[in-house]
Amino acid sequence: DAGVIQSPRHEVTEMGQEVTLRCKPISGHDYLFWYRQTMMRGLELLIYFNNNVPIDDSGMPEDRFSAKMPNASFSTLKIQPSEPRDSAVYFCASSRRGRESEKLFFGSGTQLSVL
Amino acid sequence: ELKVEQNPLFLSMQEGKNYTIYCNYSTTSDRLYWYRQDPGKSLESLFVLLSNGAVKQEGRLMASLDTKARLSTLHITAAVHDLSATYFCAVLLSGGGADGLTFGKGTHLIIQP
Repeated sequence: DAGVIQSPRHEVTEMGQEVTLRCKPISGHDYLFWYRQTMMRGLELLIYFNNNVPIDDSGMPEDRFSAKMPNASFSTLKIQPSEPRDSAVYFCASSRRGRESEKLFFGSGTQLSVL
Repeated sequence: ELKVEQNPLFLSMQEGKNYTIYCNYSTTSDRLYWYRQDPGKSLESLFVLLSNGAVKQEGRLMASLDTKARLSTLHITAAVHDLSATYFCAVLLSGGGADGLTFGKGTHLIIQP
């Protein structure tokens, strides 16, 4: 399996622009998570889906952030309009519910810079 | 609100030495995870600890869990330079209803030759 695939790896944009981050989870995984990592705040859970349904979006910072999962193999995180304080590494992760470890597998991340 | 605290946050040590990283968490949980992150890279799963008293070892790393004390430790034996990385512990709330992991701030470990 190719693992969790995120795109783009790097994104540089100007304040006010729309940014869309993409994620393909591991096939067969029924949970998908979006995390944000910054030096100041560490790793923060933004939102997660179970079977394509958003379960908890309490970590989404503001209405400028939205996430969708139209099918089991694709999710997007959108920021509109973007601001410099949104600069961070955004990770997508997936897991499979079961009686074992429910280990979380992370993608390579998207390094977002908003100028 | 679940809080996860790691200490130390920064650690510089010499090769060949032993050291322990601590992870405390604030509410009941019976699942604790340790991850490793190299600079500019993603997070790699190291250990999953599922029950009180669980101990797991991989090479020079050993992790343990005490759910009563709400404490996990990651012990490094005879450190080598390749173990330099940032180590995160993460906790899953018990009782269902919250499936996302809460991460500690991470321990930035530098092992000097």
